[in-house]
Amino acid sequence: GAVVSQHPSWVICKSGTSVKIECRSLDFQATTMFWYRQFPKQSLMLMATSNEGSKATYEQGVEKDKFLINHASLTLSTLTVTSAHPEDSSFYICSARAGLLYEQYFGPGTRLTVT
Amino acid sequence: AQKITQTQPGMFVQEKEAVTLDCTYDTSDQSYGLFWYKQPSSGEMIFLIYQGSYDEQNATEGRYSLNFQKARKSANLVISASQLGDSAMYFCAMREGPNAGNMLTFGGGTRLMVKP
Repeated sequence: GAVVSQHPSWVICKSGTSVKIECRSLDFQATTMFWYRQFPKQSLMLMATSNEGSKATYEQGVEKDKFLINHASLTLSTLTVTSAHPEDSSFYICSARAGLLYEQYFGPGTRLTVT
Repeated sequence: AQKITQTQPGMFVQEKEAVTLDCTYDTSDQSYGLFWYKQPSSGEMIFLIYQGSYDEQNATEGRYSLNFQKARKSANLVISASQLGDSAMYFCAMREGPNAGNMLTFGGGTRLMVKP
């Protein structure tokens, strides 16, 4: 299957700072990337869908000004958590697909801890 | 209404025995796909098995098989000959519509613990 990477794999930041998470498709061009959040002992919840070159579509209840998504190239999407707070501590997972007719592949996830 | 329901938050199984993880789904689409993923403590989502709504045969992948009962809208995962490494969270997911790239909706997950 195709390979998707995330960086960093884990990050600790102080409350009030911003942190950027990268999602890369390594061996295919990803027209769409999905960002999920997973709180401990819970399921994956879709946060937003980003298509290369256009604005992300956010799910209901997700603050677009807090979770900035940029998908500037066909191999890279970034999620920036702005002014992070402890309640933003979570596991963030991205997935990527080459097109509507292609399945999505998951990255390994990024564990964010806000102190 | 929940689109994907996994009613077993946690399950134990003895090593080398078979186990069934339940999943029911709700959709009005005729074309859809059902997935099972394994998530070990490392967090990565590992794809296990896929069943398309028009597939007449139950999907199998090694020790994994999917018991697809369309009329009941259930897609249970059967793991045969459980191994200690099977201990993990298991998520059932659904993709609605005919396009492989459509978004996935996940169930709440089942934590499987394999006893030696």
